[in-house]
Amino acid sequence: DAGVIQSPRHEVTEMGQEVTLRCKPISGHNSLFWYRQTMMRGLELLIYFNNNVPIDDSGMPEDRFSAKMPNASFSTLKIQPSEPRDSAVYFCASSFGPREKLFFGSGTQLSVL
Amino acid sequence: LAKTTQPISMDSYEGQEVNITCSHNNIATNDYITWYQQFPSQGPRFIIQGYKTKVTNEVASLFIPADRKSSTLSLPRVSLSDTAVYYCLVARNTGGFKTIFGAGTRLFVKA
Repeated sequence: DAGVIQSPRHEVTEMGQEVTLRCKPISGHNSLFWYRQTMMRGLELLIYFNNNVPIDDSGMPEDRFSAKMPNASFSTLKIQPSEPRDSAVYFCASSFGPREKLFFGSGTQLSVL
Repeated sequence: LAKTTQPISMDSYEGQEVNITCSHNNIATNDYITWYQQFPSQGPRFIIQGYKTKVTNEVASLFIPADRKSSTLSLPRVSLSDTAVYYCLVARNTGGFKTIFGAGTRLFVKA
C-alpha cells in the first residue's frame, strides 16, 4: 500500500483565496483525521471522521474551515477565505478503527501571504 | 480526555538507553497509552501502545505501573537517527476515536 497520500505537498497562496487540501486514506481504514501543526500550537486535531461521517469537528478553528469525506477513499479540507495565520503544515491520518494506530501522510505545507 | 505531561527535551549519546516518562494522572479505565515519533518534515509515526504492565516490540518498550498514572517509553541503544520528537498520548474510544497530541519531548542524540 502507498500509505496516506496528501496533495499538494506545498501550497502558496494569497490572503483571501480559497485553499483545498486533499487526502487519500489507506484502503480499508475507516477513520480519518485532519491535524494542523505549527511551532506555537503544536499538533492540533481539527476534525475526525468515522465511516465517512464527521464525528467531532470541535477543533476546526472557525467557519472558514470545512472538511468533507464523500467516500471512503477521499477527503478534503477547505479554507475559504484563507488568512496568513492559517499558514501551517496540515496532516491527514487514517486508522483501521478505534484504538488502532494512526498512519500519517507527508503533510501539506501551506503558506498564506 | 486525560492530559499528558512530558519533559520538553532530553539529551543522550549514541548507544545509551533513553527513558522518557509521561504522566497522565486523569487516565480513565478504558484509555490506552500510545507513543508516536516525529522527524522534521514528516508526519508522526506510531511506536508502541499499551494498556498496563509492559509491552515490547522491535523498536521500544513501554512500561506502565499498576496505577497507570504514568508510563515510560524506553529506547534501547539509541542512534543519531533516533533524534526526533516523541509524543505520549492517551486515547479513548468515545463512540468514535479522538487522538490528542501534547507538546512532545524533543530527544537529541549526540555522537
